[in-house]
Amino acid sequence: AQKITQTQPGMFVQEKEAVTLDCTYDTSDQSYGLFWYKQPSSGEMIFLIYQGSYDEQNATEGRYSLNFQKARKSANLVISASQLGDSAMYFCAMREGLKGNQFYFGTGTSLTVIP
Amino acid sequence: GAVVSQHPSRVICKSGTSVKIECRSLDFQATTMFWYRQFPKQSLMLMATSNEGSKATYEQGVEKDKFLINHASLTLSTLTVTSAHPEDSSFYICSAIRGAGDSNQPQHFGDGTRLSIL
Repeated sequence: AQKITQTQPGMFVQEKEAVTLDCTYDTSDQSYGLFWYKQPSSGEMIFLIYQGSYDEQNATEGRYSLNFQKARKSANLVISASQLGDSAMYFCAMREGLKGNQFYFGTGTSLTVIP
Repeated sequence: GAVVSQHPSRVICKSGTSVKIECRSLDFQATTMFWYRQFPKQSLMLMATSNEGSKATYEQGVEKDKFLINHASLTLSTLTVTSAHPEDSSFYICSAIRGAGDSNQPQHFGDGTRLSIL
């Protein structure tokens, strides 16, 4: 089974609107971390936001928030007030265990912000 | 600012050339670094985990003799693509984890290297 599933290969959003990028995960560990990264066309991977499995509140970082639903094993990224510069690939990732090193990445979602 | 530096950002060379890519953690010690390969419009594919002072752990299907990894210090890991051929052309990106490897630490990525073998 896939550890991380991103079911939206491509998404479009109107500038200034909010958009939700889906991510579901699969793990039997009690302790894990969930991450979102942005990859613009230039290629660099930019860390956006983190959610720990024991965090009771949804993580927020500026215009980014994470809709964490533990029972459903989902960790959707919400981008509010979309900007043209948000157009990029977005990857969801998971790290298992207290000291686990390996990250599991999803297949990514290509977001295009329409002016 | 960037916490992981990767160099060079782009390489174009002839078939048969060996290419070395450097990955440096700038303001922290990284006992573990990772090397990924990414094909166009695809996700990151983990090639190997680079461990300071010991041999790298390669993923299944990755040729150890083809992709040599050296992690000689706590801030530097290198990937050498030996006798590169056109099929090795790809985007290679490294990452490092700050701290002891707690699950709440993100991987910090370099800017990647676009390798083109003619």
